Amino acid sequence: DSGVTQTPKHLITATGQRVTLRCSPRSGDLSVYWYQQSLDQGLQFLIQYYNGEERAKGNILERFSAQQFPDLHSELNLSSLELGDSALYFCASSAYDLEREQYFGPGTRLTVT
Amino acid sequence: GIQVEQSPPDLILQEGANSTLRCNFSDSVNNLQWFHQNPWGQLINLFYIPSGTKQNGRLSATTVATERYSLLYISSSQTTDSGVYFCAVLRDSNYQLIWGAGTKLIIKP
Repeated sequence: DSGVTQTPKHLITATGQRVTLRCSPRSGDLSVYWYQQSLDQGLQFLIQYYNGEERAKGNILERFSAQQFPDLHSELNLSSLELGDSALYFCASSAYDLEREQYFGPGTRLTVT
Repeated sequence: GIQVEQSPPDLILQEGANSTLRCNFSDSVNNLQWFHQNPWGQLINLFYIPSGTKQNGRLSATTVATERYSLLYISSSQTTDSGVYFCAVLRDSNYQLIWGAGTKLIIKP
């Protein structure tokens, strides 16, 4: 158990809908990262927050957004869902920014039908 | 950007065999991690090893940063070792882990 929790574990929804994925980092970790794993594109970085502020953006679509709350948990919002958004979404956390090990949550498996 | 290549892409072994997985990266890195993704999709941290050698039970890893590669050794393989092994690197000024395509390992009983 990495100490990073994600909810829900599975999510099945229809195209056009909006969902929210939740992540709680390890106790004391200030950085939260979101990654997407799809069959055709592998693991890709989406976005990072550090102590409530957006720090870096990767291949995140405009339909997706995220935030980190004062208690350091984070939410990833996916809207106007398309079939291609079906993927495993991972949250990771680390103590600081660079040169720190990232610990991954169990992931949320999103299926868009 | 930095490129991460893993080899071999697939590996099928009998239980009890040893294996070596390789990760090559195209530029200097601040962070290198090895992960095991089990058949249920969970990513399990194996090693945080930007340089040097570490061992954890039957697994060990070596990163030669100056030559830009890392090796993961699995000895006396067990069926529970099956899954995909990923190498991921992080470079200063870039906060994201860059992932290799993985090595899919199947251990047959």
